Amino acid sequence: GAGVSQSPRYKVAKRGQDVALRCDPISGHVSLFWYQQALGQGPEFLTYFQNEAQLDKSGLPSDRFFAERPEGSVSTLKIQRTQQEDSAVYLCASSVAGLAGFIEQFFGPGTRLTVL
Amino acid sequence: SQQGEEDPQALSIQEGENATMNCSYKTSINNLQWYRQNSGRGLVHLILIRSNEREKHSGRLRVTLDTSKKSSSLLITASRAADTASYFCATDDLRAGSYQLTFGKGTKLSVIP
Repeated sequence: GAGVSQSPRYKVAKRGQDVALRCDPISGHVSLFWYQQALGQGPEFLTYFQNEAQLDKSGLPSDRFFAERPEGSVSTLKIQRTQQEDSAVYLCASSVAGLAGFIEQFFGPGTRLTVL
Repeated sequence: SQQGEEDPQALSIQEGENATMNCSYKTSINNLQWYRQNSGRGLVHLILIRSNEREKHSGRLRVTLDTSKKSSSLLITASRAADTASYFCATDDLRAGSYQLTFGKGTKLSVIP
């Protein structure tokens, strides 16, 4: 079956622009996660959804970052007034259910965001 | 901030040799996972070891976990060129209600044919 898909794969934005990154999780997966991966680093947690409920947004770096999953499937990560430090790969992951550590997370290919 | 630290940061070996990567973490965990990331692609789950386990095998992979030292190692035996990738350890958190995976900075493995 299809894995986690993300679009666009690459996004170039001018500083100050708003961007929206989309994630299509595996069908039926209850949990959805967003991570930010800077160049040469490991992914860092941003936010977590269980169905449509955003249960943890402690990793969002500023109030310019906003995520939603209104119908409990597709999710969008929005970054307002992008800054150069927002340049990174944004990874989405989904899992069947449950706590992060016990259930395998399936990752998408990521969206590489470059802010000029 | 990231919890784990992988060691070494980069490793270059000949095809057929074994590769060992280490990971240290800071907090108490339920379990530890290892992921592989090929250049420009997403993360692929390799193996999970629970906090009450000391060693686990999967194919050419062997993982050990020492909770007293808060460390883990990943051994890849008989390496192949296709094993070239970055390898990350990831831990969850014992705090109730925690959903996060916390990743280390990764080890970049190059297997030379």
